[in-house]
Amino acid sequence: DTEVTQTPKHLVMGMTNKKSLKCEQHMGHRAMYWYKQKAKKPPELMFVYSYEKLSINESVPSRFSPECPNSSLLNLHLHALQPEDSALYLCASSQAATTYEQYFGPGTRLTVT
Amino acid sequence: QQQVKQSPQSLIVQKGGIPIINCAYENTAFDYFPWYQQFPGKGPALLIAIRPDVSEKKEGRFTISFNKSAKQFSLHIMDSQPGDSATYFCAASMAGNQFYFGTGTSLTVIP
Repeated sequence: DTEVTQTPKHLVMGMTNKKSLKCEQHMGHRAMYWYKQKAKKPPELMFVYSYEKLSINESVPSRFSPECPNSSLLNLHLHALQPEDSALYLCASSQAATTYEQYFGPGTRLTVT
Repeated sequence: QQQVKQSPQSLIVQKGGIPIINCAYENTAFDYFPWYQQFPGKGPALLIAIRPDVSEKKEGRFTISFNKSAKQFSLHIMDSQPGDSATYFCAASMAGNQFYFGTGTSLTVIP
């Protein structure tokens, strides 16, 4: 099973709202990632968690706050977003941060109004 | 600076044709080169990957050709089908920690 699940599938939020994106994997992977993807562009790395600790933060604004409660679960908390933050948010996992095969989830389509 | 350059931006082929997508890189420390296939509204799916110690890898109808001296690699899709219509991203990684993606190629296979 190489499945990464993400909820919700779609999310519309106002600029003053607080919402969270959820990602789950049951492959025993110890590295999890958040990417942001704009239309017709490649994914851009936001955060990397390795063994439940944040190992990479690609200078992401503080209105995005990641959390890794356990090795299977990854959250992305959203607060005071801007319309330009509208994008497809992708979660991925790999066996470890130093292994190569990354498996992506289907993404959450976020619209900020 | 774009770490991985991908071309063409879009490609249209007839069913049964062999589309070829090319990528080039500069950093010789890269040691893993995957290709991802992405359908609209879906996440990228790992298609095939190669390491620089081999020059070619085949998986079903998909083949990666790798030229280490030229720092180029390409994806060939044999006997292409309309269901192969998608966006394809090449990528490069060193030590698996961060992937540098190409800009993507939108492939359309006409029945």
